[in-house]
Formats: sequence, C-alpha cells, structure tokens
Amino acid sequence: AQSVTQLDSHVSVSEGTPVLLRCNYSSSYSPSLFWYVQHPNKGLQLLLKYTSAATLVKGINGFEAEFKKSETSFHLTKPSAHMSDAAEYFCVVSDPGSSNTGKLIFGQGTTLQVKP
Amino acid sequence: GAVVSQHPSRVICKSGTSVKIECRSLDFQATTMFWYRQFPKQSLMLMATSNEGSKATYEQGVEKDKFLINHASLTLSTLTVTSAHPEDSSFYICRGAGGAGGTEAFFGQGTRLTVV
Repeated sequence: AQSVTQLDSHVSVSEGTPVLLRCNYSSSYSPSLFWYVQHPNKGLQLLLKYTSAATLVKGINGFEAEFKKSETSFHLTKPSAHMSDAAEYFCVVSDPGSSNTGKLIFGQGTTLQVKP
Repeated sequence: GAVVSQHPSRVICKSGTSVKIECRSLDFQATTMFWYRQFPKQSLMLMATSNEGSKATYEQGVEKDKFLINHASLTLSTLTVTSAHPEDSSFYICRGAGGAGGTEAFFGQGTRLTVV
C-alpha cells in the first residue's frame, strides 16, 4: 500500500532564507511523486513531479525536490523564500494500480509561513 | 495544457436544499473524475471515483445517496450534495484524468460550500 508522510505540519521561514519541506513515502512499487501548492480557498497547482527519470526534479517558481530511494524521501526545497510562497503544500504519491489514471494519495499538508 | 473548470467557486445554501457542482474538462477527455473533500486545515480526502458512463465508486464512509455523482460524458462530471446540512460545509475539488490528463491530472479550482 502507498502512503506519504509530511514530517512538519507548519514551517516558518524569513523572506530570502531557504525553504525545506519534508516528505517521506512508502510504496511497494516504483512510485510517482508530486508536490502541489494550494493558496487559501484555491485549487491545487502542480509544482513538480518525479516519474523515475532524473532524481533531482526542478519545478516552477524556483522549487525543486530530490528523490532519494534509500531514504524513501522526496523533500521540497527552494533557495530563497518569497512572501508569495506562503501557502499549503502537499506531497502526493500516486497509486499505480490503475496505470494512467491512478489514485493520488495526499500527505497531511505543510503550512509554509514566510515572515518579512 | 489541459484544464478542468469547476463551478461554482463558492455557494451558500440553506439546510435541506441540494447543490450541484460541475466539473468540465477542457481540451481533453476525462475518462475518470475524482472527487475530493477538504475540511479546514486538513488534507484532501478522496470521496469517489467516477468513470464515464458507469456508476461511481465511493470510498468507505461516503454516503452515495447523499453525494450523487454523474459522469455522463467525457467532458462533464457533476457532484450533487443532496439535502445539505451544515456539516456538509467544506471545500470540494474535482480532478480529471485520462488522455492528456494522465497521473498528474488536473484539478478544478474547487468549490467552497457553506450550508446555513
């Protein structure tokens, strides 16, 4: 069975400092992993995805994530936080049981606060 | 890229009435539509999965007679909350998958339902 755990429910950083949002997964298969961002009362926007190609994945808005199989991790990072990065972030693993239309399993979410 | 358009974005209704939420896939055919519910400060919980032309599959604990899902065409799926009660107040999000959608798929913008 697939599962995903976001290790921090809330992360606070100062503007201009690095961001680290942690995610660990459990999967019996070679997983597809995603990071989504959600601003208040908005839908979800895909930041980046890992699908067994390069282990270091670059996404939008300066975010990137590294797939580490030995650590079963897929942490999200950004070198310098911007005020507009304040939002909820979800780490997601896909259930490959249905090939192209598999279920997505969401982590609990991490609230990123960016202080001026 | 592919888009899922969800309407309305916000709705307030009286207890006992029914509310219909629509999700339309633009530029691709959503053979599968996933419906999620999100309570404040919580992650997304899958409610049901619908495939075009067939009955939806509901997750455990979700009342199929209360949350009616119709997926009559490859571009339109609807969720009707019947006899709504205040505890049904939540954020509902659809996700279309299939064809150009794939596993990353595409989320609608979400609907904030408030039952008074």
